Amino acid sequence: DAEITQSPRHKITETGRQVTLACHQTWNHNNMFWYRQDLGHGLRLIHYSYGVQDTNKGEVSDGYSVSRSNTEDLPLTLESAASSQTSVYFCASSTGQLPYNEQFFGPGTRLTVL
Amino acid sequence: GEDVEQSLFLSVREGDSSVINCTYTDSSSTYLYWYKQEPGAGLQLLTYIFSNMDMKQDQRLTVLLNKKDKHLSLRIADTQTGDSAIYFCAESSRSNTGKLIFGQGTTLQVKP
Repeated sequence: DAEITQSPRHKITETGRQVTLACHQTWNHNNMFWYRQDLGHGLRLIHYSYGVQDTNKGEVSDGYSVSRSNTEDLPLTLESAASSQTSVYFCASSTGQLPYNEQFFGPGTRLTVL
Repeated sequence: GEDVEQSLFLSVREGDSSVINCTYTDSSSTYLYWYKQEPGAGLQLLTYIFSNMDMKQDQRLTVLLNKKDKHLSLRIADTQTGDSAIYFCAESSRSNTGKLIFGQGTTLQVKP
């Protein structure tokens, strides 16, 4: 069955370190998204991609970057981790067929920055 | 700009009906969605409604859409303890680019 996976599921790192969170989907979806989930803020969009070599900034993109070298993967990199980036991160994908935009979510990565 | 608002918490007794409310700002939204997040998991699509509909029923779930007031609600009949979760309302973005705008999520607590 097609799925979307994230790794690692839990990560503890130190301030200033570079961290990469992986997202892999086997749906063959064009669209991929990264969100962070924080209490009281719901889901906030970090970056998104509509296809290979395409990346776009979301509402909270500062301190994060993504790259899309193939259809299946959209890794999220924290260039220099900060305590404010402690959060739960979700990756999602969708077909890109408008107007129906159902997004399929991964299980999440809980990141703690000390 | 685009915005989706939800109340943060709802507590009900097992067997009662739950009603979770949502307001949105984008009158051009084509689809509106309800996602469910169980503890420690990602979001899963629960149901959706196309903007030209007023109501959609799916077993215990009823979605009501009031386009004039930009108000969406999710009613869960005969609420069970397994319904305890966070429920997110979402709308398609104005430019219909594939992005969704999510509300803050409503935590539903079901007491036995």
